[in-house]
Formats: sequence, C-alpha cells, structure tokens
Amino acid sequence: GGIITQTPKFLIGQEGQKLTLKCQQNFNHDTMYWYRQDSGKGLRLIYYSITENDLQKGDLSEGYDASREKKSSFSLTVTSAQKNEMAVFLCASSIGTVSYEQYFGPGTRLTVL
Amino acid sequence: GDSVTQTEGQVALSEEDFLTIHCNYSASGYPTLFWYVQYPGEGPQLLFRASRDKEKGSSRGFEATYDKGTTSFHLRKASVQESDSAVYYCALSDLGTGSKLSFGKGAKLTVSP
Repeated sequence: GGIITQTPKFLIGQEGQKLTLKCQQNFNHDTMYWYRQDSGKGLRLIYYSITENDLQKGDLSEGYDASREKKSSFSLTVTSAQKNEMAVFLCASSIGTVSYEQYFGPGTRLTVL
Repeated sequence: GDSVTQTEGQVALSEEDFLTIHCNYSASGYPTLFWYVQYPGEGPQLLFRASRDKEKGSSRGFEATYDKGTTSFHLRKASVQESDSAVYYCALSDLGTGSKLSFGKGAKLTVSP
C-alpha cells in the first residue's frame, strides 16, 4: 500500500497573496493530479502531470501554477488568492491514465480573508 | 466534451431503505466508468469501476451496471446503513479525456438510524 500526504491541512491567506500547497506520494505512481473541490460543483481538474517534469493544464488552470519537482512530489501555487475564496484542494496519483484508479490525499482546506 | 450527469445535492434515507443514485454519461468513445465515495475529512476513494457494456461493478453491497444503450451507470444498494453516509461521485475517463477523470457534481447521502 501507499499514502498521499498533503501539506498544510489548513491554509489561511490574505487577498492577493501567493500560496503554495504540497503533495507527496509513496506509491511510485507516474501520474499526479490537483483538483479543486467546491460545494455543489464536484471535483474540477486544475493541473496534472504524466511523469516527472511534465505539466498539463486541466479545466481550471487559470490563476494557478504547478511544479512536478520529482516523481513523488507535486506542488500547486495559487498565484493571487481571491478574497472570500474557500475550497478544498485534493491531490491524487495513479499508476497510469484513462482507466486506472486514482488515489486521493485528504485535502488542503483554503480560506482567504 | 465528455461529461457526467448524476443525481445531485442531498439524498436522505432511513436505514434498510433502497438506494438509487442516477448517473448518465456523454462520451465520444468507449469510456471507463467509476463510482467514488468520499467520507468526511477524507479524499474520494474508488468504490468500483466498469469498462465494458453490461459489465457489473460491485463493492460493499453497492452495485452498478454499465449500460451503453442508455448511457447509464446507476448506483444501487438494497439496504443502506448509517455508515454509508458519504458523498458519492460518478466519473468517467476515456481517450477523449486523455488522462483526465470527468466527475459528476456528487450526491450527499445521509442515512438516519
């Protein structure tokens, strides 16, 4: 088995601030993902990475940057936090693409004051 | 593009009730269909998946059958328990979505004792 660790668990920021969320996995999976979860909107893909140093934009990439520093880690940066923004950011990994199961971390809850 | 439409919002049942959560999909190819479940404070986890027409996925008493004719993958359970209270997401992936999962908006199931 393996585990996905997301840090921090809770993140409070100020409007306009640049904020970074981190994700580590020990599954030795090639593919990693970042999703945003808003109440009533499901999960929306922000960025994904098929292998180390690869980055692909998802449906919600505007306002975010990502970095796949090594196979086991994937970071997400909110480039300018929006006032009153509140969401959960979920990291996931999978051994491959298309029909493979994705394993999710517990999430980082972001609040912007 | 590919998409999933599922029962949304709140689903309230009593223990031993029958559960149906509807899921219909739209895809250009032959997608793999998934049901994920998310418990409070955790990331989603795979319940089961199906890749072929008429294939039945099942786990923990939940089941769904891939129906290409009606483009559906409805989740059912004959007798729910309080411990089944969670958010349920239908999702799909295929070559048309590349490496991405397309999620429905989720249905929050609350089961009362």
